Parts: sequence; C-alpha cells; structure tokens
Amino acid sequence: AQSVTQPDIHITVSEGASLELRCNYSYGATPYLFWYVQSPGQGLQLLLKYFSGDTLVQGIKGFEAEFKRSQSSFNLRKPSVHWSDAAEYFCAVVRGIGFQKLVFGTGTRLLVSP
Amino acid sequence: GAGVSQTPSNKVTEKGKYVELRCDPISGHTALYWYRQSLGQGPEFLIYFQGTGAADDSGLPNDRFFAVRPEGSVSTLKIQRTERGDSAVYLCASSQTVGANTEAFFGQGTRLTVV
Repeated sequence: AQSVTQPDIHITVSEGASLELRCNYSYGATPYLFWYVQSPGQGLQLLLKYFSGDTLVQGIKGFEAEFKRSQSSFNLRKPSVHWSDAAEYFCAVVRGIGFQKLVFGTGTRLLVSP
Repeated sequence: GAGVSQTPSNKVTEKGKYVELRCDPISGHTALYWYRQSLGQGPEFLIYFQGTGAADDSGLPNDRFFAVRPEGSVSTLKIQRTERGDSAVYLCASSQTVGANTEAFFGQGTRLTVV
C-alpha cells in the first residue's frame, strides 16, 4: 500500500537558516506526492505537489521539494526560514481508484529559534 | 463562501452521546472529504462524497460513524454512542473535481472531546 514516512517528529532551525524536512514514500510506480502545512488555528494548506516531469517542484512561500526516485524521497526545502514558518508539515500521497484519498505522514513540527 | 467552514469549532460531549459535525464546502465544489486527526498524527481519511453520494466510505472506523450530504453541498458527520477514543480533530475538505491534480481545500476543523 502507498504510504509516506516522516522520520523527524520535531526540528528546530534558527531564523535565516536553511531547512530540509524529510519524507520517504513506499509505492511501486511514480506516486503523486504533496506537502501541506498546518499552522495553529489554521486549516491544512497545500505548499506544493509532484505528479510527473521536473523532479524539482516549486511551491508557495518560498518552499521547494525534490523527488528522488532512487531514494524514494520527496524532501521539502527552504533556503532561509522565517519565524512565521513555524508550523506542522505533512507529506502526503494519494490513493484510490480516482486518486481521491490523501494518505498523510505523521508530520514534522518545525520550531524556529531567534 | 470564501473557504471551507466547519461548525462547531469545538465540541465537548459526554461518553455515549450523539454528535453532529457540520461542513460547508466551497461553493461549486462537487467533491467533499472528511478526515480525522488524532493527537500527534497526520489526518486519516474517513469518507469522500462526489455530489450527494458517498463514493468511498472505507475509512469510517465502525458503524457508529455516518455522514450525509443530501443536497450535494453541506455535509454532516454523525457519531453515535461516542467513545473517548473518538476524541480528535475532524477535518473537512472540498475540491472542484476529483483526481490527484485537483487541490483539496481544508477547513479549520472541529475539535471533538469526549469526556
């Protein structure tokens, strides 16, 4: 079954430093992958998605992610973190005949230190 | 509306009671989804509607859970004989169409606490 694993429960990054959040997927074919962000009191917001083509995907808020088939990974990156980026980040893959079900990882909580 | 609206935002109920959680999707969105997010976990799929019908309810944990969408817009998630293990944030999402290439927009959720 398709699933995603986020090995880091918490990550602390200094403001202005670079960020990389890890996501590994398990699926035989090319998966459809997503990154969502969940801020306190806010709903889940889509940052970016990968379906096919260019393996480096640009998203909103300065985020990008790179699909690496050889490593079964879809890591999220940002070159310079802002305090407002502190939130919970979820990697997800779609399942279902019509690709209608999102399967989420357990999330990584990002803390930003001054 | 501007986004997916869920009411109430918080609900505290006693064990064994019946609860209803409401979701107002974005106007014109034909697909509607319910997810459940337990503490420290990612959201888990419960059920998905295409129009008025439940196209996939494979995520409902048992027959105490039921959801309807009678007019193809507002949806209600119903939980009978609530248990403490039902405590979680229930998220609703909607999308314009179905498929991986369509974005699902999430509401802020209803936090259900069963005491």
